[in-house]
Amino acid sequence: EDKVVQSPLSLVVHEGDTVTLNCSYEVTNFRSLLWYKQEKKAPTFLFMLTSSGIEKKSGRLSSILDKKELFSILNITATQTGDSAIYLCAVAGSNDYKLSFGAGTTVTVRA
Amino acid sequence: SQTIHQWPATLVQPVGSPLSLECTVEGTSNPNLYWYRQAAGRGLQLLFYSVGIGQISSEVPQNLSASRPQDRQFILSSKKLLLSDSGFYLCAWTGTSEWFSYNEQFFGPGTRLTVL
Repeated sequence: EDKVVQSPLSLVVHEGDTVTLNCSYEVTNFRSLLWYKQEKKAPTFLFMLTSSGIEKKSGRLSSILDKKELFSILNITATQTGDSAIYLCAVAGSNDYKLSFGAGTTVTVRA
Repeated sequence: SQTIHQWPATLVQPVGSPLSLECTVEGTSNPNLYWYRQAAGRGLQLLFYSVGIGQISSEVPQNLSASRPQDRQFILSSKKLLLSDSGFYLCAWTGTSEWFSYNEQFFGPGTRLTVL
């Protein structure tokens, strides 16, 4: 069965800090890894990664995948209170139709 | 553009009562559809998915069921709710055409269910 582990489970930072979130996985026939941000309701898509070593960036957020060591990191620089959310990592593996989700990392940014 | 609707947004039900949550997708055809449950502060647990009308795959044995009576409609049901059914229920879809990355799932606004 596919397995996705996120760490830390939660963290509290102050505005302006940099945050690094981790996602490790064990899947059969890896196809892609996705990051989502969830505030109060529906998760919203951030990145999809399929190739090792290629950084994806969107504003202050960036992510990279290491397919040899089976992990990904999500970085948030110059954090703002609006970055407070649950960040979910998901992996598409052996089953064509399913994503396996990690438990999420809850990030709280204090002013 | 594509949109996904879920209703109701919140629901409070007594133990032993029935449940029906509905999800509809607009602006796409033949989507893959998914039901997830999320406990407070936790990740997403896949409950059911469907790749076509009448086709349902169940991931977790429980007292819930799902149906897909139309291409863009997905329903989650229970005959008798348990306390443990409380949670945040999310519907999601993926596109199956060349215009979509078929791994990327798009989520509805969710239904917060409290069973008392």
